Amino acid sequence: DQQVKQNSPSLSVQEGRISILNCDYTNSMFDYFLWYKKYPAEGPTFLISISSIKDKNEDGRFTVFLNKSAKHLSLHIVPSQPGDSAVYFCAASASSGNQFYFGTGTSLTVIP
Amino acid sequence: KAGVTQTPRYLIKTRGQQVTLSCSPISGHRSVSWYQQTPGQGLQFLFEYFSETQRNKGNFPGRFSGRQFSNSRSEMNVSTLELGDSALYLCASSLGPRESYEQYFGPGTRLTVT
Repeated sequence: DQQVKQNSPSLSVQEGRISILNCDYTNSMFDYFLWYKKYPAEGPTFLISISSIKDKNEDGRFTVFLNKSAKHLSLHIVPSQPGDSAVYFCAASASSGNQFYFGTGTSLTVIP
Repeated sequence: KAGVTQTPRYLIKTRGQQVTLSCSPISGHRSVSWYQQTPGQGLQFLFEYFSETQRNKGNFPGRFSGRQFSNSRSEMNVSTLELGDSALYLCASSLGPRESYEQYFGPGTRLTVT
């Protein structure tokens, strides 16, 4: 049973516009969330995180929003750049030291 | 500092065979996790090792096993390979279990079972 879901397998956005990637989870015990970016032939690289005590975390062009009541998080990329084209995974964990559950990924294409 | 390395990068095996994959974590990292990535399934957690002990295990059959050595290097083994085992196998290391939120991934081993 997939505890972390990314329902959009792919997303295309024009360069300079906003990219919004969504992630839903089912386990209310999850309290730490990560986003990873993955290029072909490379392992995922950490992008940004958020803990359940916050509802927003920003890092440059990347912002993650967490809606605990809806069990939903989203990653906003503004402005989108062609180099952002990659597969994005969200991951969730219930407290420190426990395994992370990953979503199925969303392939983002930023069109120049 | 060198990143996580995985060997081999590509592997082709036949059904029924067994395979061993290797992972060398970042120097100083003592926790190693293994994931299977397949299209449509994302990253599925296989197991995590810390100080040569398996801490967590995902929902995979017993054909999937692993171990960790005293230098933190880890191997995973898949016996009696099935076509459905074709996947990208990723290894990730972190300082320890409490730092699992800061995992660094290797490039993966692409296993093809024919």
